[in-house]
Amino acid sequence: NAGVTQTPKFRILKIGQSMTLQCTQDMNHNYMYWYRQDPGMGLKLIYYSVGAGITDKGEVPNGYNVSRSTTEDFPLRLELAAPSQTSVYFCAISRNGGRQPQHFGDGTRLSIL
Amino acid sequence: AQTVTQSQPEMSVQEAETVTLSCTYDTSESNYYLFWYKQPPSRQMILVIRQEAYKQQNATENRFSVNFQKAAKSFSLKISDSQLGDTAMYFCAFAPRKRSGGSNYKLTFGKGTLLTVNP
Repeated sequence: NAGVTQTPKFRILKIGQSMTLQCTQDMNHNYMYWYRQDPGMGLKLIYYSVGAGITDKGEVPNGYNVSRSTTEDFPLRLELAAPSQTSVYFCAISRNGGRQPQHFGDGTRLSIL
Repeated sequence: AQTVTQSQPEMSVQEAETVTLSCTYDTSESNYYLFWYKQPPSRQMILVIRQEAYKQQNATENRFSVNFQKAAKSFSLKISDSQLGDTAMYFCAFAPRKRSGGSNYKLTFGKGTLLTVNP
């Protein structure tokens, strides 16, 4: 059981480029989340999903998009990368019933130059 | 809006001793959940302990326990018999509870406390 798998682990982008951060889970949890962690800060919620086909904005959604076509996958899209999006991105999942994230991926370190 | 404050950016403790990490929060909600997460150098986020605000009994998980003071909006974490593997960043987090139970999915995190356990 891999739990939550995030790819890539590291990436450097140029300003204005686009990319997709992948998140896949094999625990069949309905709830999935994307967070970003800036240096010296706690995590902030970008987007979340309560099930396939359902997504909603978190605290800092601007500049990002998500989709949830399957239970397993919850990709995060950056359309026009900006230096302010330099951060570590975490995907998380939680089991049915709305309980809070208990399983996190290892994170993706993204630098925008 | 909720805020979570961790007033100790860094702390250190000797191996086998006890340490307490502080967390205060501000909310107008009456029912909510509180959490402590650990982030070791590996960067992985690990749930340490969870407290439901409508339960008066303080949560415990082996060497980890909390002191939950609802009136004071305080939620401290006590680590007993500290081990070298406890060295990590510790985050306090808050989530409101829905009327139907569960949470509304939106965790608010503090900025973290870096704990170093010295041999």
